[in-house]
Amino acid sequence: QSVLTQPPSASGTPGQRVTISCSGSSSNIGSNTVNWYQQFPGTAPKLLIHSHYQRPSGVSDRFSGSRSGTSASLAISRLQSDDEADYYCSAWDDSLNGYVFGTGTKVTVL
Amino acid sequence: EVQLVESGGGLVQPGGSLRLSCAVSGFTFSNSWMTWVRQAPGKGLEWVANVKQDGTEKYYVDSVKGRFTISRDNAKNSLYLQMNSLRAEDTAVYYCARDRIDSGTYIDYWGQGTLVTVSS
Repeated sequence: QSVLTQPPSASGTPGQRVTISCSGSSSNIGSNTVNWYQQFPGTAPKLLIHSHYQRPSGVSDRFSGSRSGTSASLAISRLQSDDEADYYCSAWDDSLNGYVFGTGTKVTVL
Repeated sequence: EVQLVESGGGLVQPGGSLRLSCAVSGFTFSNSWMTWVRQAPGKGLEWVANVKQDGTEKYYVDSVKGRFTISRDNAKNSLYLQMNSLRAEDTAVYYCARDRIDSGTYIDYWGQGTLVTVSS
């Protein structure tokens, strides 16, 4: 069950900035921290952003996150070919007592 | 180096059972909430269940309540998922992962996943 809504796809040319939105509700994004994951085909997801905007060690500063109300966004600046992947937002949901994930966005570098 | 290694996946008939295991190393297992997340073929991520450090609190997604049981053995640094009454819609790659609660609540480390196929 995907409770968080993302656009199915996003694209850009190398060097451009791409933004992915994530829409939720007061029980998840509105009251808990938002996290973002990057997933390449056939591999496990990788934590990209946690706690709205925090980057784990080793994650490029080209990736940035933000939250406003019950929505969040991930921005990828200076787009590169190896950014082609699926991206998922996530947050804990107080009503469901569990994590919820976004529907996923496939980023294509043109 | 943090490692989470799942095992136990395979082909099972509808109505059957399977037990997944996850062997953990590289961090203090007994200090961490742990989680199972699954991903059906060609689909998105779905959180399945998580368990508190001492096993006293467990949470499940509605679709598996009463059929799946998450458990852990801190002495063996291992996480488990007992899956009963399996259905075709349970077919997925199952990932073992660590929950982190500090500046926020999030899943940080993931295993490579194990594939469960429910089919006759």
